[in-house]
Amino acid sequence: QSVLTQPPSASGTPGQTVTISCSGRSSNTGSNYVYWYHHLPGTAPKLLIYRNNQRPSGVPDRFSGSKSGTSASLAISGLRSEDEADYYCAVWDDRLSGWVFGGGTKLTVL
Amino acid sequence: QLVESGGGLIQPGGSLRLSCAASGFTFSSHAMSWVRQAPGKGLEWVSAVSGSGGHTYYAYSVRGRSTISRDNSKNTLYLQMNSLRAEDTAIYYCAKVSVTTTINDAFDIWGQGTMVTVSS
Repeated sequence: QSVLTQPPSASGTPGQTVTISCSGRSSNTGSNYVYWYHHLPGTAPKLLIYRNNQRPSGVPDRFSGSKSGTSASLAISGLRSEDEADYYCAVWDDRLSGWVFGGGTKLTVL
Repeated sequence: QLVESGGGLIQPGGSLRLSCAASGFTFSSHAMSWVRQAPGKGLEWVSAVSGSGGHTYYAYSVRGRSTISRDNSKNTLYLQMNSLRAEDTAIYYCAKVSVTTTINDAFDIWGQGTMVTVSS
């Protein structure tokens, strides 16, 4: 069981907006930045959102992140078939002195 | 760029050293981490090391059995794994921290991973 809680799956149709949640506790999401990664199994994970809501260069503005209290969210608007992937949130945990990842959310574009 | 190596099939109780060769950035300025993914499971952080190598961090699942280190003269990151268990079977990725001033910021560059299989 992961320290960070994500829904195991999410889905949407092309053009829709999908939101993926990430819930933690005071020692991680409540006090540190949240990061989001895109991952296709067997390939290198890719940084999607850093420091709660910042996008690296090259990441479309269809992807946005937010955080409130001990929860964070990743929103994907204008859903496309190529967005199908696994999405993970990650946070540094002060109590564990290490990174914790969410269990991952498998996004399906119907 | 990050390129991992050293994975393979190893018997339970055995040892393995993974390597991660870095290029294209000032290796000694950036903290590094190892992250793994077991078959059918999600990403799991394993260990981190500061740019100088002086500070190391481990997940509970590998603490006492693994040692992270780096050779900045060779631009290479290592993970020595001992007393391997079936549950250590995973793809192991190395990842670079984006900024130079901290160990806990974004992983902006990842390797393609190396597979470790622990089985008799």
